Amino acid sequence: DGGITQSPKYLFRKEGQNVTLSCEQNLNHDAMYWYRQDPGQGLRLIYYSQIVNDFQKGDIAEGYSVSREKKESFPLTVTSAQKNPTAFYLCASRPHEKSGYTFGSGTRLTVV
Amino acid sequence: EDKVVQSPLSLVVHEGDTVTLNCSYEVTNFRSLLWYKQEKKAPTFLFMLTSSGIEKKSGRLSSILDKKELFSILNITATQTGDSAIYLCAVDSGGSNYKLTFGKGTLLTVNP
Repeated sequence: DGGITQSPKYLFRKEGQNVTLSCEQNLNHDAMYWYRQDPGQGLRLIYYSQIVNDFQKGDIAEGYSVSREKKESFPLTVTSAQKNPTAFYLCASRPHEKSGYTFGSGTRLTVV
Repeated sequence: EDKVVQSPLSLVVHEGDTVTLNCSYEVTNFRSLLWYKQEKKAPTFLFMLTSSGIEKKSGRLSSILDKKELFSILNITATQTGDSAIYLCAVDSGGSNYKLTFGKGTLLTVNP
């Protein structure tokens, strides 16, 4: 079945460590996105990519980095520069503008 | 800056009630408005609206868009406990990046 797989589902990190969240899709979608969700805040865009080897900052990119070396994969690294990284992270993809997003099931990151 | 505002932010009803969720927006170039339901993790797609005045319907859920007044409503009739979720509204403001701007969501709780 086609879909988006995010891993891990839960992740704990010590302060000062970088962590990488995985996002893989087999939908053959060109565009991929990373959103962060905090209680009462809705979804806020971190980074997005429309094609391989190209990506753009979203509204809250500081402290995050991404890569898009393959169409299927769009990993997100949360760096130690992100001051408040505890949140729920959602990856999404979209085939074209006439379609909605398909979301992964998310990764909950907790800084301990 | 694109803006999507949802109201109310939370709502508690009894089974069988009818609810109306609101979404207003201010975007530079409107292309479409989307509604999602988020129960535990991945938001699931409900509707995409592009034209004013045309109701979209799926079972007990329906939605309509007013492009003149810049808002949309999502109606749920004969609510059930399974309708309890966060309902997210998002707007596609056009451009070649296909990205969506989300509101903060409405948390709906349906009590038996």
